[in-house]
Amino acid sequence: DVKVTQSSRYLVKRTGEKVFLECVQDMDHENMFWYRQDPGLGLRLIYFSYDVKMKEKGDIPEGYSVSREKKERFSLILESASTNQTSMYLCASSFGTGANTQYFGPGTRLTVL
Amino acid sequence: GDSVTQMEGPVTLSEEAFLTINCTYTATGYPSLFWYVQYPGEGLQLLLKATKADDKGSNKGFEATYRKETTSFHLEKGSVQVSDSAVYFCALISVRGGSEKLVFGKGTKLTVNP
Repeated sequence: DVKVTQSSRYLVKRTGEKVFLECVQDMDHENMFWYRQDPGLGLRLIYFSYDVKMKEKGDIPEGYSVSREKKERFSLILESASTNQTSMYLCASSFGTGANTQYFGPGTRLTVL
Repeated sequence: GDSVTQMEGPVTLSEEAFLTINCTYTATGYPSLFWYVQYPGEGLQLLLKATKADDKGSNKGFEATYRKETTSFHLEKGSVQVSDSAVYFCALISVRGGSEKLVFGKGTKLTVNP
């Protein structure tokens, strides 16, 4: 079974803090993704990566950066957290290209005060 | 750009009722189509998919048929259970600039009452 784990289920941070969200997958998938999920907006893609040290912007990359130093790990970084980044963050991974299933982690609910 | 529109809900049904959640898409060509489900407190998981026109995806009693004429991929189940209560997302694969990514609808929350 594919497993995607995220470092925290719940996180509370203060405005201006630097925040790291970690995601690890155990199936040697090339592709990894970060989404945020907000009520009424669905899932929106923040960043994705098709290989180690490679990253591409998604639909809403502003205020975020990512790091992929190892194939199994994909980190989302909020350089200076703001209240409008309060959200549920979901990580996913998939193999290859085409209609391959994305496997999701359980999510991190981030609250920025 | 490519997009997915699904009925927003929430949808509330009694156990054993028939379920339809509508999903239509706008895309270049014929993208692969997906339904993902999110149970309370969990991440998303794939429910079913279809990769070409007239394909029918099915899983756990749910079905959806890829209709290119109507650009639709409606989700149906003949008899829902309380355990089907979840949020359902329709999605397609979008290819842009050599990159592939999933484009999701906004989700439909289903509550099934005993």
